[in-house]
Amino acid sequence: QVQLVQSGAEVKKPGGSVKVSCKTSGYTFISYGITWVRQAPGQGLEWMGWISAYNGNTNYAQKLQGRVTMTTDTSTSTAHMELRSLRSDDTAVYYCARDPIATPGVFDYWGQGTLVTVSS
Amino acid sequence: EIVLTQSPATLSLSPGERATLSCRASQSVSSFLAWYQQKPGQAPRLLIYDASDRATGIPARFSGSGSGTDFTLTISSLEPEDFAVYYCQQRSNWPPYTFGQGTKLEIK
Repeated sequence: QVQLVQSGAEVKKPGGSVKVSCKTSGYTFISYGITWVRQAPGQGLEWMGWISAYNGNTNYAQKLQGRVTMTTDTSTSTAHMELRSLRSDDTAVYYCARDPIATPGVFDYWGQGTLVTVSS
Repeated sequence: EIVLTQSPATLSLSPGERATLSCRASQSVSSFLAWYQQKPGQAPRLLIYDASDRATGIPARFSGSGSGTDFTLTISSLEPEDFAVYYCQQRSNWPPYTFGQGTKLEIK
């Protein structure tokens, strides 16, 4: 069965960086993209960006340009999201989601989420 | 950027009742609209995509309709496990993909 398993919770200081991983299984990794979505405490869902697992092409939300980098490791079927220059308003649960090539932008399977807390 | 506005913010109903949730887009998204369900402490779950197509394993009591700028998610007869927050999301025009602010469906 399709699974996306994310790395554990992180606590970071303002100005630091965090890297969240998303290990996938149960499907052909390079045949799909991965989208990252975050959710601040008590708030709604915010799309952060997308990466093609096939060729590494990316597309990031404008507000995060320059601070976020998404990568994939096809040898381990794992996606990574790094966010730099962390601020308190980056405190959120970060989700990875599978993004089918056939229906781009339909997030059909999700990771369990990774809580990132930014605090001094 | 396309803005999605969901209504109502909160919907209070009893099990067995029919639920109707709305999502309005700031410009046409054709039929490229999805609905997700999120329970506390859980990741969102895809229910409906492309306005009316049920995702794998989603019960038939969930249905979606609409096109252009106005969309509806209907739950025909509420089960106890259906009480959650529901989000709409468009994939017509990106980046960015955008989500509505959510409708909380609570037990009356």
